[in-house]
Amino acid sequence: AQTVTQSQPEMSVQEAETVTLSCTYDTSESDYYLFWYKQPPSRQMILVIRQEAYKQQNATENRFSVNFQKAAKSFSLKISDSQLGDAAMYFCAYRFNQFYFGTGTSLTVIP
Amino acid sequence: DTAVSQTPKYLVTQMGNDKSIKCEQNLGHDTMYWYKQDSKKFLKIMFSYNNKELIINETVPNRFSPKSPDKAHLNLHINSLELGDSAVYFCASSQWGATNTGELFFGEGSRLTVL
Repeated sequence: AQTVTQSQPEMSVQEAETVTLSCTYDTSESDYYLFWYKQPPSRQMILVIRQEAYKQQNATENRFSVNFQKAAKSFSLKISDSQLGDAAMYFCAYRFNQFYFGTGTSLTVIP
Repeated sequence: DTAVSQTPKYLVTQMGNDKSIKCEQNLGHDTMYWYKQDSKKFLKIMFSYNNKELIINETVPNRFSPKSPDKAHLNLHINSLELGDSAVYFCASSQWGATNTGELFFGEGSRLTVL
């Protein structure tokens, strides 16, 4: 069964610093998609970044990048130059036929 | 233009009442979903429809009934509301296919409070 694990319920980072959020997943499939979603206090779910499993190159979106380790089934999110607006709940998600979400990591940004 | 819109955004109601949440997407997607997010922020899939056909029906009480009149709409009706139904309900849509990543587009959520 596919599962997604986020082992860090809470993380904090100093403004302008870098933080990495962890995500591991379990699957026997070889072709799938991975996502990071952000949920700020407004509760809107916002896509941060996506990664196709068949691509070896790590996805990057401005200050957000991933470290995708397919063999290790690891998909961590790195936020560089953290800003106050990055404070949110972050969900890792795996998609093969249907979506599976992790339990989320609450990120606090300290001014 | 809002891509996935759901109404109402907030519902406060008494136990035992019936309520509905409506969802519409203007993205032309073929698949729509209902998710429940509890107080601990866990996101749980409830239902999924593809072109008006039910394809995912997780273990959800019979009091919850989805209805998809067309592929752009997926409504959720809840009968005999219970305290444990209090949560945020998210509607979402996606488009599957070889050229799509199938990412989920979420509505803003509907916060249901049962008193």
